[in-house]
Amino acid sequence: EVQLVQSGAEVKKPGESLKISCKGSGYSFTSYWIGWVRQMPGKGLEWMGIIYPGDSDTRYSPSFQGQVTISADKSISTAYLQWSSLKASDTAMYYCARRRIAAAATYYFDYWGQGTLVTVSS
Amino acid sequence: SSELTQDPAVSVALGQTVRITCQGDSLRSYYASWYQQKPGQAPVLVIYGKNNRPSGIPDRFSGSSSGNTASLTITGAQAEDEADYYCNSRDSSGNHGVVFGGGTKLTVL
Repeated sequence: EVQLVQSGAEVKKPGESLKISCKGSGYSFTSYWIGWVRQMPGKGLEWMGIIYPGDSDTRYSPSFQGQVTISADKSISTAYLQWSSLKASDTAMYYCARRRIAAAATYYFDYWGQGTLVTVSS
Repeated sequence: SSELTQDPAVSVALGQTVRITCQGDSLRSYYASWYQQKPGQAPVLVIYGKNNRPSGIPDRFSGSSSGNTASLTITGAQAEDEADYYCNSRDSSGNHGVVFGGGTKLTVL
C-alpha cells in the first residue's frame, strides 16, 4: 500500500527555522516526483515545488522560489520542506503528494500525505 | 504563468447531476485532474487524464474537456459528495510546474 506520512504539527515563532518531512512507503521512492502544496487557512491549494528523489532534481514555483527549500534523503525515503526564517504568513497546512504522468504528458497527484499544520505566531 | 478559473460555489439537489467547470489556457494542451477535499482532510484524486478514475472512486464521477474548459460531472450526487473540488493542470510554461484552480464548494441540497 502506497503511503505518504508527514511529520506532526508545528508551532513556531517568527524568524525561527523549520524542516517538515514526508516519508514514502509501499513503492519505489526514487522513481516518482514528490510535490509540496500549501493551503492557507480557508483558502485553496497552491503548488510550491517538486523534487525527484532519485537524483534530487528540484523545481520551484516562482511564487516560492527563494522562500523555501525542498530536499530529499532517498536512503530513508523521505522528502523535506524547510524554512530558514518563518513569517506569520507561512501559517498554513502543507501537503506532500506523489506526482504521476498520464496521457498527453499530463501531471496529476495520486497519493497525498495527511498534511502538516504549521502555525507561526509570536 | 497559467491560471485555472473555477466557480466558487455550486449546489445540486440530492440525486441530480452537477457539472463543475475549470477554465484555463493550459487546458488546451493538457488534461485536468480533479481532487475532492472534505473539511479537515487531505485532497483525494477523483479524476485524471482524459477520464480516468482511481480505484475506489465511484463511477458517478466523470471528466471531460473541450477547448480551454475541463469539467467534472457527478451523475446522481450523494450527500457524501459535498466537498471542495479543485482542478489541476500542468503549467504550460514548463519547469514541471502545475497550477490549481481556486476550488469549487459543492453543496448537496
